[in-house]
Amino acid sequence: DAKTTQPNSMESNEEEPVHLPCNHSTISGTDYIHWYRQLPSQGPEYVIHGLTSNVNNRMASLAIAEDRKSSTLILHRATLRDAAVYYCILKATNFGNEKLTFGTGTRLTIIP
Amino acid sequence: DAGVTQSPTHLIKTRGQQVTLRCSPKSGHDTVSWYQQALGQGPQFIFQYYEEEERQRGNFPDRFSGHQFPNYSSELNVNALLLGDSALYLCASSPIWGRGFVRNTEAFFGQGTRLTVV
Repeated sequence: DAKTTQPNSMESNEEEPVHLPCNHSTISGTDYIHWYRQLPSQGPEYVIHGLTSNVNNRMASLAIAEDRKSSTLILHRATLRDAAVYYCILKATNFGNEKLTFGTGTRLTIIP
Repeated sequence: DAGVTQSPTHLIKTRGQQVTLRCSPKSGHDTVSWYQQALGQGPQFIFQYYEEEERQRGNFPDRFSGHQFPNYSSELNVNALLLGDSALYLCASSPIWGRGFVRNTEAFFGQGTRLTVV
């Protein structure tokens, strides 16, 4: 399985943008980049995913490097509810290989 | 829509016993995956069920087995419990696969079952 590398922890002030980095230098051409987050005492929650182009949704934006060896999850205006562990995951797209391989993620702390 | 529901929410078992955990997928989903999350770690993939068959399996011993029913709900069984099996067990469901190809869809997770083995 292709591996991702994330910082163990990050802090950000409330109402400011947050940029969460992820390195995935061994990504294959067909791997999608998925981000999930896990709030305290809850199951993981899907945030966003992309292949090559930058993506936006109501929760966040995903910026993907041109060589696809890294990506950045952007929370445009962090709130206290965004405090969670954020996981960057490479998801294969070959039939029968649907698993999500989680690392240890980045623990995001929001400072009021 | 109730989303993914798991039962029970908490469970305490004795070493050597057997346990069954249950999962009802989100409405419209037919694929169910199970994950184990030890304290302070990310979830680890156990296995996935589709069309009542185990389609993919992670690096877990045969003590871990599962089942999927015709209504898409699923059970995770763990035999001969060890202290190290204490963890949060998560169920995730995904929308219906297209035949012959993988739809790159998001997974919806339940709140999990917290299993403590003493």
